Amino acid sequence: KAGVTQTPRYLIKTRGQQVTLSCSPISGHRSVSWYQQTPGQGLQFLFEYFSETQRNKGNFPGRFSGRQFSNSRSEMNVSTLELGDSALYLCASSSGQGGNQPQHFGDGTRLSIL
Amino acid sequence: GENVEQHPSTLSVQEGDSAVIKCTYSDSASNYFPWYKQELGKGPQLIIDIRSNVGEKKDQRIAVTLNKTAKHFSLHITETQPEDSAVYFCAPRDDKIIFGKGTRLHILP
Repeated sequence: KAGVTQTPRYLIKTRGQQVTLSCSPISGHRSVSWYQQTPGQGLQFLFEYFSETQRNKGNFPGRFSGRQFSNSRSEMNVSTLELGDSALYLCASSSGQGGNQPQHFGDGTRLSIL
Repeated sequence: GENVEQHPSTLSVQEGDSAVIKCTYSDSASNYFPWYKQELGKGPQLIIDIRSNVGEKKDQRIAVTLNKTAKHFSLHITETQPEDSAVYFCAPRDDKIIFGKGTRLHILP
């Protein structure tokens, strides 16, 4: 079974631009979560989608948004990029919604803002 | 808000010795207690998990123990090997998703 796939693996942008990251979950998984990982803040939860609906949201500004499609694939968008948005963005999928399901992570998209 | 603390932040052990990492949480509603391992350039991978109705779970050299009364759970790795060198994260949760800050484990030859 293929794992969680994130594209692209690396991305370089400049301040003020916007970016869209993509995540394909494990086949059959309907829940997709997004995280931001930085050396200073660690792993921080962005949002969780289940069956195309956002079910849970972390404490990030509205510049960070996401969506999930009918095939469970998900995208996250960051608008008006800031230097502090440089991070590894991780996507994780799980078979069900809610807190007691194991999460399967992709290897992330490393976003660098110049 | 919920608080998750992980100790120690860095741990060095001699190959073959045991390693223990502790995670303390504040949300009494947490009912699922996983540990993840992250190697360089990779995403975190689940290595073991435990649910709130169980006190201990073991999988070969890895074990997790849970003390719900004291609100902490621990990762135990026995007979450590070089490939155990990585960063380990705890992530206790109910609906909220909060990761510990991570423990960097070094296995010394």
